Amino acid sequence: GQNIDQPTEMTATEGAIVQINCTYQTSGFNGLFWYQQHAGEAPTFLSYNVLDGLEEKGRFSSFLSRSKGYSYLLLKELQMKDSASYLCAVRDSGAGSYQLTFGKGTKLSVIP
Amino acid sequence: SAVISQKPSRDICQRGTSLTIQCQVDSQVTMMFWYRQQPGQSLTLIATANQGSEATYESGFVIDKFPISRPNLTFSTLTVSNMSPEDSSIYLCSCGGGYNEQFFGPGTRLTVL
Repeated sequence: GQNIDQPTEMTATEGAIVQINCTYQTSGFNGLFWYQQHAGEAPTFLSYNVLDGLEEKGRFSSFLSRSKGYSYLLLKELQMKDSASYLCAVRDSGAGSYQLTFGKGTKLSVIP
Repeated sequence: SAVISQKPSRDICQRGTSLTIQCQVDSQVTMMFWYRQQPGQSLTLIATANQGSEATYESGFVIDKFPISRPNLTFSTLTVSNMSPEDSSIYLCSCGGGYNEQFFGPGTRLTVL
């Protein structure tokens, strides 16, 4: 089974940097995903990590440490439109498995 | 990336009725997934749908309540049967665009009265 933890809510200021943490305990591991979800909309894919280290994609970066069962999503130069829920999801290691287990999400509020 | 559409986008249904949700992908995909997101909650996987075989259901979900069809590599349906207010939720279709990507449809917002 999978257990995924992330903070429930965070608040940050426009233009600042925020780090959203995710820890997981899983029976198997084959990748970690981050999604952004605005209220009333479907999740939007942000990043994928399967090896340790940092993946950078514009203002967003994602980090993974498999030995620690830990990931974070880093958002730089925050904009008001970044106010959303951020979902951490882990993929199991079953052969050919694509299914994801999601954390409860972190609701980020960006304030002026 | 894969583009996924769902129909209907929302519906209001009476208790005891059934609703079939359609999911269409713009490219052929091996695996499609159906998730549920209850109000204020994260996503929960209902089942995995592979073309040409029976869907695989997660714990707590059964075929009689959530029958799934997967007639080809671009299409799937999920039926929510004998609905009750507890089934009010957003139902999302998902597929893998590649091993390092997974995309979601826009969701179907279901309200059961």
